[in-house]
Amino acid sequence: RKEVEQDPGPFNVPEGATVAFNCTYSNSASQSFFWYRQDCRKEPKLLMSVYSSGNEDGRFTAQLNRASQYISLLIRDSKLSDSATYLCVLYNFNKFYFGSGTKLNVKP
Amino acid sequence: DVKVTQSSRYLVKRTGEKVFLECVQDMDHENMFWYRQDPGLGLRLIYFSYDVKMKEKGDIPEGYSVSREKKERFSLILESASTNQTSMYLCASRVGDGNEKLFFGSGTQLSVL
Repeated sequence: RKEVEQDPGPFNVPEGATVAFNCTYSNSASQSFFWYRQDCRKEPKLLMSVYSSGNEDGRFTAQLNRASQYISLLIRDSKLSDSATYLCVLYNFNKFYFGSGTKLNVKP
Repeated sequence: DVKVTQSSRYLVKRTGEKVFLECVQDMDHENMFWYRQDPGLGLRLIYFSYDVKMKEKGDIPEGYSVSREKKERFSLILESASTNQTSMYLCASRVGDGNEKLFFGSGTQLSVL
């Protein structure tokens, strides 16, 4: 079983829509969680960390559910520039585990 | 801002060639990593280095070796390139052990023909 699993998508949404992605993980002892954004043929860049209490950064909200072992990313009021692949990343015992990413296409 | 520079954006090599991928970071980071990224598989760790001249195998080291003679430079070597090593290669660095923030280079898309 993979350490981190994501729906590859693509999620095709119109501008202004709200969209949510989930990511499940297998190791209940996982320490830290992150969402990275990766544009086509570019490197991943940290979007936000995910805290137990949930956290928000502008239009982006991240949640962690340890009981069900998943994290989520909610994007409100989608922009064309949000089109990218979103990677779920876990940090556990000094090692990073990457999901294969969820592709988002925001259309005019 | 931290800068992680990979020497080539695109490379085309032939089967059996020895290939060097270079990565340089400018922030005195102790730890450096090499990943490969393939569609549907996510990033997989090839090798990492805790410090100069130190290296550890990652999850998929077969067919690769690394060199870290200076702190700022971490090289990935494909001893004899094969077509199944066609991939996007990403270098990353972080301040040190236990630090959770990774900084990535812009990647090298390697095609082995």
